[in-house]
Amino acid sequence: AQKITQTQPGMFVQEKEAVTLDCTYDTSDQSYGLFWYKQPSSGEMIFLIYQGSYDEQNATEGRYSLNFQKARKSANLVISASQLGDSAMYFCAMREGRYGGATNKLIFGTGTLLAVQP
Amino acid sequence: GAGVSQSPRYKVAKRGQDVALRCDPISGHVSLFWYQQALGQGPEFLTYFQNEAQLDKSGLPSDRFFAERPEGSVSTLKIQRTQQEDSAVYLCASSFPGGASGKDNEQFFGPGTRLTVL
Repeated sequence: AQKITQTQPGMFVQEKEAVTLDCTYDTSDQSYGLFWYKQPSSGEMIFLIYQGSYDEQNATEGRYSLNFQKARKSANLVISASQLGDSAMYFCAMREGRYGGATNKLIFGTGTLLAVQP
Repeated sequence: GAGVSQSPRYKVAKRGQDVALRCDPISGHVSLFWYQQALGQGPEFLTYFQNEAQLDKSGLPSDRFFAERPEGSVSTLKIQRTQQEDSAVYLCASSFPGGASGKDNEQFFGPGTRLTVL
């Protein structure tokens, strides 16, 4: 069965520093997609970054980058130059099938609460 | 354009009461998902629609949960005879499948409905 593991319940980071949020996954599929979402206290899930299993380069979106190590089945999120507004819950998620399986449903981890300190 | 909207944002129900939660997806989005997010956890898949067809309801926890999307746009999640364990945030997401990149299957989430069963 597919599974996402986030082992860091909470993280602190100083403003302007970089932080890495860990994510490991388990799947028997060769084709899958990995997502990171941010959930502020308002509750809405905000898409940050996507990595396809066949993508050869690590994904980047502004200050967000994904450290994808396929052999280790890890997809860590790196946030550079942290800002106070980055304080939120961060969820790693997986979807089977690069272009979406029959369902396209996402499997989420338990999340990491990031607190950015001034 | 407008994002995914959900109503009500907050719902308090007495145990045994029936509730109905509404989701308005982004216009033109074919796929619609419902997720349940318990306190301190990641969202868990409940059910999936492609247009008006419910293609996957494997995540619905019991036969007290029922979802519909009769005209392929607005969806309603109904919970009958609510129990305390139903207390959670119910998230709706929509997506427009297709495109060369798996990211095009990105799911856009609504703000959620926080259900509290007393």
